[in-house]
Amino acid sequence: GAGVSQSPRYKVTKRGQDVALRCDPISGHVSLYWYRQALGQGPEFLTYFNYEAQQDKSGLPNDRFSAERPEGSISTLTIQRTEQRDSAMYRCASSLDRVWTQYFGPGTRLLVL
Amino acid sequence: DQQVKQNSPSLSVQEGRISILNCDYTNSMFDYFLWYKKYPAEGPTFLISISSIKDKNEDGRFTVFLNKSAKHLSLHIVPSQPGDSAVYFCAASPFNNTDKLIFGTGTRLQVFP
Repeated sequence: GAGVSQSPRYKVTKRGQDVALRCDPISGHVSLYWYRQALGQGPEFLTYFNYEAQQDKSGLPNDRFSAERPEGSISTLTIQRTEQRDSAMYRCASSLDRVWTQYFGPGTRLLVL
Repeated sequence: DQQVKQNSPSLSVQEGRISILNCDYTNSMFDYFLWYKKYPAEGPTFLISISSIKDKNEDGRFTVFLNKSAKHLSLHIVPSQPGDSAVYFCAASPFNNTDKLIFGTGTRLQVFP
């Protein structure tokens, strides 16, 4: 079956613009996670959802970052007033339920000029 | 503060030999550990996991060893194959927040003929 998909795969934006990154999890997966990965680093936890409920957003760097999953399936990570330091690979993962293996998408590479 | 550490950024092994990738952690609340493999331009894929109640878990050519007293785990690949060439991430999850994976910085394995 289809894996986790993310769009766009690449996003170049100017500083100060808002961006919205989309994640389409594996069908039936209850839990959805967002990570950020800098070059040469491992994925860094941002936030996660069970169904539509955001369970933990402790990893979001500041209030410019927000995420939603209104119908418990597709999720959007929004970064407002982007800054150059926001440039990174943003990865989404999903799992059947808590504690189960997380399946990662290919990521969205964001470049803020 | 890097709670999961992979001190070797790269490892080169001859085909047919054993590859040993190491991971150290500092948080004694971690009780579930995973290894992910990542090929270029793809998201990380789950490889093998181990719970803190075990000290070894084996799956085909892959074995993960956990030494809780030393807060150390290792991934053994034997025999190594050229297709194993990838970046390997160690990840850990605390018992009081099993949805949160903390990743190491990764080790790039190169298996040469």
